[in-house]
Amino acid sequence: DQQVKQNSPSLSVQEGRISILNCDYTNSMFDYFLWYKKYPAEGPTFLISISSIKDKNEDGRFTVFLNKSAKHLSLHIVPSQPGDSAVYFCAARPYGNNRLAFGKGNQVVVIP
Amino acid sequence: KAGVTQTPRYLIKTRGQQVTLSCSPISGHRSVSWYQQTPGQGLQFLFEYFSETQRNKGNFPGRFSGRQFSNSRSEMNVSTLELGDSALYLCASSRDREQFFGPGTRLTVL
Repeated sequence: DQQVKQNSPSLSVQEGRISILNCDYTNSMFDYFLWYKKYPAEGPTFLISISSIKDKNEDGRFTVFLNKSAKHLSLHIVPSQPGDSAVYFCAARPYGNNRLAFGKGNQVVVIP
Repeated sequence: KAGVTQTPRYLIKTRGQQVTLSCSPISGHRSVSWYQQTPGQGLQFLFEYFSETQRNKGNFPGRFSGRQFSNSRSEMNVSTLELGDSALYLCASSRDREQFFGPGTRLTVL
C-alpha cells in the first residue's frame, strides 16, 4: 500500500522559472516530511524538511508547504537551475520512528 | 564532516550466495537505517539500528539481516540470494529526524 504518492512522474521547466512538486500521504501518524534529490548512481541528498506543526519552511531557493488537513505537501524551487535536474523524492516519517516512507519520485528536467 | 560511507560500491553475485554490505555513519550519529531501491518498488525500508539494537524492521524476509557495532558502523547481510535481490542498497544515518544517505551499494545477482 503506497502511503506516500507523487503523481506526475516527470516535469520539464525553463531555467529561471518555478518548479512545483507535489506529494500526498495517507497515514495520519506521519508528523515529519522530507524532500530528497537524487542523481543516478548516487544516494539521495537531503534538501529540506517540515514538521507537521508548521505549514511552511523555507531554505534558500527551496520552500516546502504542508496542508495537513488535505494530507498534501509541495516543494517549490525558484528560480530553477540546470543543476536541479534530478529525481526528487518525498518522504514521510511516523511519530517517534525512523522508518521513512518514500514516494516513487519525480524526474525534473531544467531546460537552459 | 565526512558523510555516510558504504562499501563496496558495486557487487556481483550469483543466486544462492550470500553478501555482506557495510555502512559507516556520520560521526556522532547513532541511528543507522537501511533501504532497498528497485525500479518496481521504489525505496523501501529494511531495518534500523540504534545503539547496537534493531529498533525497526520492514517487510522483508528473514534472509535480510543486519547488525550494528559499538562504533555505530553497521552491516547488512543477505543470504541465499535471489535474482529479485538485485537493487541499490542505501544506508542512512541520523541523529535527529533528518536522515542522511550514503552513495549506496549496487548489488547485481546473476
